[in-house]
Amino acid sequence: GVTQSPTHLIKTRGQQVTLRCSSQSGHNTVSWYQQALGQGPQFIFQYYREEENGRGNFPPRFSGLQFPNDSSELNVNALELDDSALYLCASRSGGGADTQYFGPGTRLTVL
Amino acid sequence: QKEVEQDPGPLSVPEGAIVSLNCTYSNSAFQYFMWYRQYSRKGPELLMYTYSSGNKEDGRFTAQVDKSSKYISLFIRDSQPSDSATYLCAMINAGNMLTFGGGTRLMVKP
Repeated sequence: GVTQSPTHLIKTRGQQVTLRCSSQSGHNTVSWYQQALGQGPQFIFQYYREEENGRGNFPPRFSGLQFPNDSSELNVNALELDDSALYLCASRSGGGADTQYFGPGTRLTVL
Repeated sequence: QKEVEQDPGPLSVPEGAIVSLNCTYSNSAFQYFMWYRQYSRKGPELLMYTYSSGNKEDGRFTAQVDKSSKYISLFIRDSQPSDSATYLCAMINAGNMLTFGGGTRLMVKP
């Protein structure tokens, strides 16, 4: 399945954070979502074969990387209090967005 | 105004009740419609997927889409305490990107 690390993370405003995702084997597309408390997930961006090929309404301080070994990262610079949320990654192999599998998420708290 | 609106609940029902969950949307470009279930501390899992107006049934779950009214529903028959979770509607546009509703928290009491 899809795994994410760490499970929980606490940072202070202005810091930088890296979240990690391990996709299901053979999945070439990974998407990242931000889910604020009590809200639905919001699409951040998507990577296909190590290239970003879609982005939601998030500033450039949200960036990502996808590696050939089924792993990926979400980096957030200059953390703000509103960045506190559950960050979900989802992976799929071709197909539509309905075929993706979600990881359990990383809970980020910014103080 | 959000593209996808969903009543946040919480919705509390007794075991065995029929549950109705709903979403409205404003973007006519949405072509595919899904319902996800999310348990606490877990990622969303896909329950139902439809692409046309009408009904689709899978066990105790029925998904209904009315494109003319921009309205989708999920019905759960014979609800169980294990159905207690947050239910998220989601939609895909031509760009193959998911847009989620805010989620409805459902509690099924024994």
